[in-house]
Amino acid sequence: NAGVTQTPKFRVLKTGQSMTLLCAQDMNHEYMYWYRQDPGMGLRLIHYSVGEGTTAKGEVPDGYNVSRLKKQNFLLGLESAAPSQTSVYFCASRGSGTYNEQFFGPGTRLTVL
Amino acid sequence: DAKTTQPTSMDCAEGRAANLPCNHSTISGNEYVYWYRQIHSQGPQYIIHGLKNNETNEMASLIITEDRKSSTLILPHATLRDTAVYYCIVRVAGEGNKLVFGAGTILRVKS
Repeated sequence: NAGVTQTPKFRVLKTGQSMTLLCAQDMNHEYMYWYRQDPGMGLRLIHYSVGEGTTAKGEVPDGYNVSRLKKQNFLLGLESAAPSQTSVYFCASRGSGTYNEQFFGPGTRLTVL
Repeated sequence: DAKTTQPTSMDCAEGRAANLPCNHSTISGNEYVYWYRQIHSQGPQYIIHGLKNNETNEMASLIITEDRKSSTLILPHATLRDTAVYYCIVRVAGEGNKLVFGAGTILRVKS
């Protein structure tokens, strides 16, 4: 049982390049989330999904797109990376119970030059 | 979601209890209090949550005041591995059950 895994762990992009971050969970969770964390700050929600085939915007969605084609995977895409998107990205998942806790992945460190 | 206020940082001696306060004066009746922590650069880890009764699990205890306007997370015997940022979050069910993270409290456990 690996829990929540994220791929890749590190990435350096040039401005304007695109990339996709992959989040996978093996707990059969309905809900999945993408957060970003900038230095000295708490996590901010980018997008989330309440089930396979669904997505919704969070607090800071601009510049990102997401897809949830399979229940176990949640993809975060950057179509045209900008230096302001340099951050650590965390994925999380939770079960369908109303007050179930979120389980977080180890994070992806992204640097945009 | 109700706003929370936490001290920026706290120190605790190893082996002593660490008491982390949180104010949430605008909390409403159906909002739960959650605590997570983040060790160094890892993903946040769930600790405990509660509505109005005190709660205890293998990691910590959560004490919520009777008026629910504040709470305290207690780590009974802090160790060096408990050094982390601790986040107090008030969450309402629905809307994807999102978590809104503030800056949290940096707890430094010292030997």
